[in-house]
Amino acid sequence: KQEVTQIPAALSVPEGENLVLNCSFTDSAIYNLQWFRQDPGKGLTSLLLIQSSQREQTSGRLNASLDKSSGRSTLYIAASQPGDSATYLCAVRPRNTGKLIFGQGTTLQVKP
Amino acid sequence: GAVVSQHPSRVICKSGTSVKIECRSLDFQATTMFWYRQFPKQSLMLMATSNEGSKATYEQGVEKDKFLINHASLTLSTLTVTSAHPEDSSFYICSAGGTTSPYEQYFGPGTRLTVT
Repeated sequence: KQEVTQIPAALSVPEGENLVLNCSFTDSAIYNLQWFRQDPGKGLTSLLLIQSSQREQTSGRLNASLDKSSGRSTLYIAASQPGDSATYLCAVRPRNTGKLIFGQGTTLQVKP
Repeated sequence: GAVVSQHPSRVICKSGTSVKIECRSLDFQATTMFWYRQFPKQSLMLMATSNEGSKATYEQGVEKDKFLINHASLTLSTLTVTSAHPEDSSFYICSAGGTTSPYEQYFGPGTRLTVT
């Protein structure tokens, strides 16, 4: 059974810092991995999607990496801003299924 | 593109009544839609997968007679919470996978259900 774990559960940093969020999964037979952002009481915003054949994806200040063999992904946020404060969710899509399995999320607070 | 809407955004109902939540893909056709539930400070848990024109597939532990899912068209899926109880209070989120881009799911804004 695929399980997704995110560490840390919560993180507080001063504005301007670079930071890394971690995601691990137990079964490497995945189709892809997605990182999402969720603001309080809101739905999900897709940040980055990495196919199983890819090693990383970048969008602006965000960079996500994938090491399928070790079951790990990281989300790197450069030059953090208060507007980055949110919960970040990692989700994997196992092979031969369309559903996503989510981690518990990392709640990030960036202080001005 | 790839916009998914949900209606209503918030609903309060009395215990014992039924509530219907709609999920629509606005600018693409979704052969598959997914329904998730999220309790406070917890992650999303998949409840069921619905394919247009066929019966939904429910995850283990989800009561199919309580959470009725209908996916009658390529742009609309509905979730009906029957005989709602306070423990059904939660944030319900749907997502849709397009026919041309099945690799990514597009999420709706969620529906906050409160059962009193």
